[in-house]
Amino acid sequence: DIQMTQSPSSLSASVGDRVTITCRASQDISNYLAWFQQKPGKAPKSLIFAASSLQSGVPSKFSGSGSGRDFTLTISSLQPEDFATYYCQQYNNYPWTFGQGTKVEIK
Amino acid sequence: EVQLVQSGAEVKKPGESLKISCKGSGSKFGNYWIGWVRQMPGQGLEWMGFIYPGDSDTRYTPSFQGQVTISADKSIRTAYLQWSSLKASDTAMYYCATGTFGVVDSWGQGTLVTVSS
Repeated sequence: DIQMTQSPSSLSASVGDRVTITCRASQDISNYLAWFQQKPGKAPKSLIFAASSLQSGVPSKFSGSGSGRDFTLTISSLQPEDFATYYCQQYNNYPWTFGQGTKVEIK
Repeated sequence: EVQLVQSGAEVKKPGESLKISCKGSGSKFGNYWIGWVRQMPGQGLEWMGFIYPGDSDTRYTPSFQGQVTISADKSIRTAYLQWSSLKASDTAMYYCATGTFGVVDSWGQGTLVTVSS
């Protein structure tokens, strides 16, 4: 199975900050990477697919980049509604696998 | 876009069986896969497997193979996740999700399964 490792596991940031989360795959996954946001008690929400393509309706403050093994999710200006846990997920090989999550908290 | 609505929360005893459902809407239901994701209390997301309702082609993540059964009834646009003998360790939130290729387009709202004696 492909292992997905996110860093950091958690971070504290202030409203307006630029935040970057990293995801590393244990092997080359090309650009078959997605990002999800999950708020407490809620279902995940799809943000990005194909490493850098925004899902419909997702604001442009979210952006993704990378290919191969290393990927990033950037939130350009953190807002109160962005405090959540973020997961990356590869879909290059089955079984699809998630990273362990990055919790973004208010500083 | 396919919308997914899951069945309600369940409380079961160890050893009991259970089947939870995920109903889709939209004309493209049969053309999409529907997958199941487990989230144990306070933990992250885990893919369990997925099914193509159009031909019932099913894939399981190895750690869930033999532990659960994924099925679908295309005629009523519903996918299922089933256990024959629940364990306390099956206590979790279960989400269904759908999309094309490996890209998730939509999520169900989740079904909480509690297994306790």
